[in-house]
Amino acid sequence: GENVEQHPSTLSVQEGDSAVIKCTYSDSASNYFPWYKQELGKRPQLIIDIRSNVGEKKDQRIAVTLNKTAKHFSLHITETQPEDSAVYFCAATSPFYGGATNKLIFGTGTLLAVQP
Amino acid sequence: NAGVTQTPKFRILKIGQSMTLQCAQDMNHNYMYWYRQDPGMGLKLIYYSVGAGITDKGEVPNGYNVSRSTTEDFPLRLELAAPSQTSVYFCASSWATGSPDTQYFGPGTRLTVL
Repeated sequence: GENVEQHPSTLSVQEGDSAVIKCTYSDSASNYFPWYKQELGKRPQLIIDIRSNVGEKKDQRIAVTLNKTAKHFSLHITETQPEDSAVYFCAATSPFYGGATNKLIFGTGTLLAVQP
Repeated sequence: NAGVTQTPKFRILKIGQSMTLQCAQDMNHNYMYWYRQDPGMGLKLIYYSVGAGITDKGEVPNGYNVSRSTTEDFPLRLELAAPSQTSVYFCASSWATGSPDTQYFGPGTRLTVL
């Protein structure tokens, strides 16, 4: 089955710097890669996602890149702000994982701390 | 729209007790999911449903049961609670018609088994 590894587990940056979180996946058939942000005590919320037919997607200060050959994808946050501090999770799903679509396998999360 | 709602927010159970975690969504999503999140860990899929009357196991189904009698509701049943089931439980839903789509999460239920 699918396995998703996420690095680093913790990341501390200065306000205004960039942050990069990387994930690798095992199933070459995976075709959907969302990123979720989870603030302390809150629910995970989607911040950006990418499908396997594109290599990069941007939304203001957030971007995701996908390398299908190497089976890894990364989250890039530029001009970080204190409110970006949270746990970030990557996830992957295969088109027919376990016989049905849309079953997400999550990474173990990255705690991002943005120091003012 | 309220989105995905969950009740209760918090619960403490004694070992061996049973309970049902409630989940409802008002977005007419066909897919619904139950995840558990242990401290410092990612989310693990417990069960999922692709529509009313259809459910299947995820990664960690042991000790849990689900049912889906309506599109809106997807309750999770814990029988004979054990300390290993202490976790935060999230329900989620999505609309999927052959390709994956955004999963929307509920606020979570924090369960402690003592």
